Amino acid sequence: QKEVEQNSGPLSVPEGAIASLNCTYSDRVSQSFFWYRQYSGKSPELIMSIYSNGDKEDGRFTAQLNKASQYVSLLIRDSQPSDSATYLCAVIRSTLTFGKGTMLLVSP
Amino acid sequence: EPEVTQTPSHQVTQMGQEVILRCVPISNHLYFYWYRQILGQKVEFLVSFYNNEISEKSEIFDDQFSVERPDGSNFTLKIRSTKLEDSAMYFCASGSSNYGYTFGSGTRLTVV
Repeated sequence: QKEVEQNSGPLSVPEGAIASLNCTYSDRVSQSFFWYRQYSGKSPELIMSIYSNGDKEDGRFTAQLNKASQYVSLLIRDSQPSDSATYLCAVIRSTLTFGKGTMLLVSP
Repeated sequence: EPEVTQTPSHQVTQMGQEVILRCVPISNHLYFYWYRQILGQKVEFLVSFYNNEISEKSEIFDDQFSVERPDGSNFTLKIRSTKLEDSAMYFCASGSSNYGYTFGSGTRLTVV
């Protein structure tokens, strides 16, 4: 069973729309959850962290965590073409483990 | 904003040669990590390092690999006798479970 699963996409949304990215994880003992953004050829960049059930908002980004369902999501409001990137879900039990990422394409 | 610095940005090496990838973590971080990403694949954990010791390593991190902190600031990954399949982006990171890891810009290793 894969530890962190994401739909590879691409997820295509028009500029100004809400992009919804989803992730499931297998290890119930996972403690911390992160979303990273990775532009092609670049390193992962931390954009959100979430540790407890519920929603956490930071600007246009909202992370949602449901530990009972082992599910993490990221909503991006008012999507911009510059948001086009691969979004990596990552969870920590002892070390940070990444999913394969979802490619997001925001069209002008 | 503090950043993790990696050198070189690109390294080309012949199969069988040894390479050393260098990293300067964020100064007040205590945990350091190496990850790799083969082109088109996911970011994979190699090794974590704390208090001058390996704290955890993955199946990928076999006897071909070693890590060192030769002085107070640098953190290195050595790959002995490189293979073609070692070609990848290698990322250094520092941070913690509570606050997440900050990644360096990476070293693109090409083994020919």
